[in-house]
Amino acid sequence: EVQLVESGGTLVKPGGSLRISCTGSGFTFSTSTLNWVRQAPGKGLEWVSSISASGEYIYYSDSLQGRFTVSRDNARNSLFLQMNRLSAADTAVYFCARDLLIPGARIPFESWGQGTPVTVSS
Amino acid sequence: QSILSQPPSASGTPGQRVSLSCSGTNSNIGKNGVTWYQQLSESAPKLLIYNVDQRPSGVPDRFSGSKSGTAASLTIIGLQSVDEAYYYCATWDDSVSGWVFGGGTKLSVL
Repeated sequence: EVQLVESGGTLVKPGGSLRISCTGSGFTFSTSTLNWVRQAPGKGLEWVSSISASGEYIYYSDSLQGRFTVSRDNARNSLFLQMNRLSAADTAVYFCARDLLIPGARIPFESWGQGTPVTVSS
Repeated sequence: QSILSQPPSASGTPGQRVSLSCSGTNSNIGKNGVTWYQQLSESAPKLLIYNVDQRPSGVPDRFSGSKSGTAASLTIIGLQSVDEAYYYCATWDDSVSGWVFGGGTKLSVL
């Protein structure tokens, strides 16, 4: 069974930094594209970042203005999101999600974790 | 303001057929596949439809997807109370080189 478990979400002060993690199991982590998607309270889903299996290709939402950095450690089946210069607008539940490659198709965000809450407040 | 437009709410009665729309542009829906996700209250999203009209195993065949030009639709037939949830469309947008989600539609089963 595919499992994605996020951790590290907490309360952080405006202007602060935080690194959240996601650990995967039940699938071949090292061959999977992984993503971060966030959801602010009472709002919809917002794509944050994607990283290819090897880490060679990385994409970010323009809205982040260069403050976030995604990385992965395939030896530890772990995905990370380093978030800097946080503001109240970054308050959200952060989900990690994997893409699935099948013959003839790529399925984006095929499996999701339960999310980790990040609150930015003084 | 989401790049993909979805009506904020929709409703139906048990057994009815409902269609949820997702409107985009030539740089997103017009060029790429569309995926749909269901999010029940306080839970992680779940994949419903990928590549416009493909259903993963385990998703009931009451759910179907389609696309025409720059608009996509999710249709649910035989509506059930368990279908009450938020529904999001998503696709890749070539103009921003990133994934975009619709704002979501809250489906109520009356």
